Amino acid sequence: DAKTTQPPSMDCAEGRAANLPCNHSTISGNEYVYWYRQIHSQGPQYIIHGLKNNETNEMASLIITEDRKSSTLILPHATLRDTAVYYCIVKTDSNYQLIWGAGTKLIIKP
Amino acid sequence: DTEVTQTPKHLVMGMTNKKSLKCEQHMGHRAMYWYKQKAKKPPELMFVYSYEKLSINESVPSRFSPECPNSSLLNLHLHALQPEDSALYLCASSQVGSGRGTDTQYFGPGTRLTVL
Repeated sequence: DAKTTQPPSMDCAEGRAANLPCNHSTISGNEYVYWYRQIHSQGPQYIIHGLKNNETNEMASLIITEDRKSSTLILPHATLRDTAVYYCIVKTDSNYQLIWGAGTKLIIKP
Repeated sequence: DTEVTQTPKHLVMGMTNKKSLKCEQHMGHRAMYWYKQKAKKPPELMFVYSYEKLSINESVPSRFSPECPNSSLLNLHLHALQPEDSALYLCASSQVGSGRGTDTQYFGPGTRLTVL
């Protein structure tokens, strides 16, 4: 299974775009990239997922490189409530396992 | 609506107690999951139920016993736990229960378990 690598922590100013990188250089063709976040002591919250194409929803955008070896989660206008641990995850198309990265602790500063 | 509910929010139990964690979803999802999360670590999969049948048991000790009474409910029965079992226990559900890449898992808020 592919592994993901994320920076352990990042800061971002409130109101600015937060760009969270993830490396998944061993990803296979049938593996999806998922992003979840976890606010302190709460359950993980689903954000977005994609396979090859860039994706956007009401929470965020997901940019996947053409070779699929890395991706970036973009929170367009970060607020203090976006402070959380963000997990980049690879999921195969054939089983239930979510291959979790170690997560990036994102701190939004006023 | 993507809500998964879990009760209780917090649970403290002794090593000789028997207790149960409960999880409920009303999204019509056909797969339900139990995860265990230790501090500063990502969640670890314990069990998967698909269409009310146990599909995956990730070599979990028998002191944890899952039960799926119907497609909306999932229980985790606890007996003779150890202090190292103290953790956040998370329930999740997904629509299809096929394990496919697009079958997104939605998590509940978790139960914080402390074993004394």
